Amino acid sequence: EIVMTQSPATLSVSPGERATLSCRASQSVSSNLAWYQQRPGQAPRLLIYGASTRATDIPGRFSGSGSGTEFTLTISSLQSEDFAVYYCQQYYNWPRTFGQGTKVEIK
Amino acid sequence: EVQLVESGGGLVQPGGSLRLSCAASGFTFKSYEMNWVRQAPGKGLEWVSYISSGGSTVYFADSVKGRFTISRDNAKNSLYLQMNSLRAEDTAVYFCASGYQLLSHWGRGTLVTVSS
Repeated sequence: EIVMTQSPATLSVSPGERATLSCRASQSVSSNLAWYQQRPGQAPRLLIYGASTRATDIPGRFSGSGSGTEFTLTISSLQSEDFAVYYCQQYYNWPRTFGQGTKVEIK
Repeated sequence: EVQLVESGGGLVQPGGSLRLSCAASGFTFKSYEMNWVRQAPGKGLEWVSYISSGGSTVYFADSVKGRFTISRDNAKNSLYLQMNSLRAEDTAVYFCASGYQLLSHWGRGTLVTVSS
């Protein structure tokens, strides 16, 4: 099983600032990496797939990068609706595995 | 608009059984692979099970293998999760989600509580 490790666990950011979230895989997953956003009380929403491709209707302030074992999700200028928990997920093989999540909170 | 609506959650005793359903609309259900993903209270996401579009291929997380069964009825646009021998650690919100690799669309989830 591929273990996904996210850091930091919590990120405190002021509105309008940049947020950088990290995700590391225990072995290479190539570019088979997705990011999801989960707001409180809501279902997760697909943000990024293929490590860097934005899903439909996702704003341009969200960007993903990386390949192999190291990945980054960047939110260029945080809006109020972006304060949420973010998960990475590998789909290189089975079982699909998620990171433990990074909570982005208001500073 | 794609909609996935889960149902069937509730309170069940340890060792009991429960069957979850997921009703799909707004897309050609029979053409899409489907999954169940769960989230324990205050915890992260855990993939549980996958079924191919035709139902011939299924996968399970080790934590539920041998206890859970996944199935679908493409004529009814519905996905199911039969959960047997339930344990306290199965307590979670269960989401259905579409997709083979990435999970494109998600339902709002149904809460399963395993407790005596």
